[in-house]
Amino acid sequence: EDQVTQSPEALRLQEGESSSLNCSYTVSGLRGLFWYRQDPGKGPEFLFTLYSAGEEKEKERLKATLTKKESFLHITAPKPEDSATYLCAVQAGAGGTSYGKLTFGQGTILTVHP
Amino acid sequence: NAGVTQTPKFRVLKTGQSMTLLCAQDMNHEYMYWYRQDPGMGLRLIHYSVGEGTTAKGEVPDGYNVSRLKKQNFLLGLESAAPSQTSVYFCASIKRESTDTQYFGPGTRLTVL
Repeated sequence: EDQVTQSPEALRLQEGESSSLNCSYTVSGLRGLFWYRQDPGKGPEFLFTLYSAGEEKEKERLKATLTKKESFLHITAPKPEDSATYLCAVQAGAGGTSYGKLTFGQGTILTVHP
Repeated sequence: NAGVTQTPKFRVLKTGQSMTLLCAQDMNHEYMYWYRQDPGMGLRLIHYSVGEGTTAKGEVPDGYNVSRLKKQNFLLGLESAAPSQTSVYFCASIKRESTDTQYFGPGTRLTVL
C-alpha cells in the first residue's frame, strides 16, 4: 500500500526565516512526486512534479528536492503570502499504468508572520 | 477557460437525504477524479473515470456512486447521506494518464446533520 507522511503538521516562521517541509513516502514504483499549495477554502494548486532521485525544481522562494525515500520543500526567506497548506502526493505504477491516481499526505500548514 | 468548476459550493443535508455533486471541466480532459478532504487526513480518492461512460472505485468508495455520461461532466451521488460523509469534496481532472498536472476545482463543503 502506498503511503505518504508529511512533517511537521504545522510550522510557524517569521518573515525571512528559511526552513524545510518533509514528505516521506513508500510506493510501489514511483512514477512521480507532486507538491501542491492549498489556500483556505480553495482547491489545491500545482507547484512541482519530481520524477527521479536527485531531481530539483525551483519556483520563486520554493525549491523541491527528491531522494528515494523522501522529498523536501525548501522555503527561502518566506513572506506572509507564502502562508498556506502544502500537500505532497505520489503517483505509483512506474513501468505500467496508474490512471493518474495520486496518494496524498496529510499536509503541512505553514504560517509566516510579518 | 473556466477550468474545473463544482456545483454547489455549500450544502447541508439531513441524514438519509440524497444529493448529487456536479463537476464540469472545459479543458477536454480524459481523466476525472473525486476526492474528499477531512481534517488531518489529506485528500482521499473516492472514484475516478478514465473516459466517457467508464468509472472505477478509489480508496473510499462506500456510500457514493458516480456517473460520466459526458466527457466534460463527472457526477458524484450520495444516495442516503450519513454524518460520516460530512467533508469537503474536490473534483480534479487531467488530460491523459501520465504525470500530467491534476487541475482541481474549488470544492464543495457538505455537512450532514
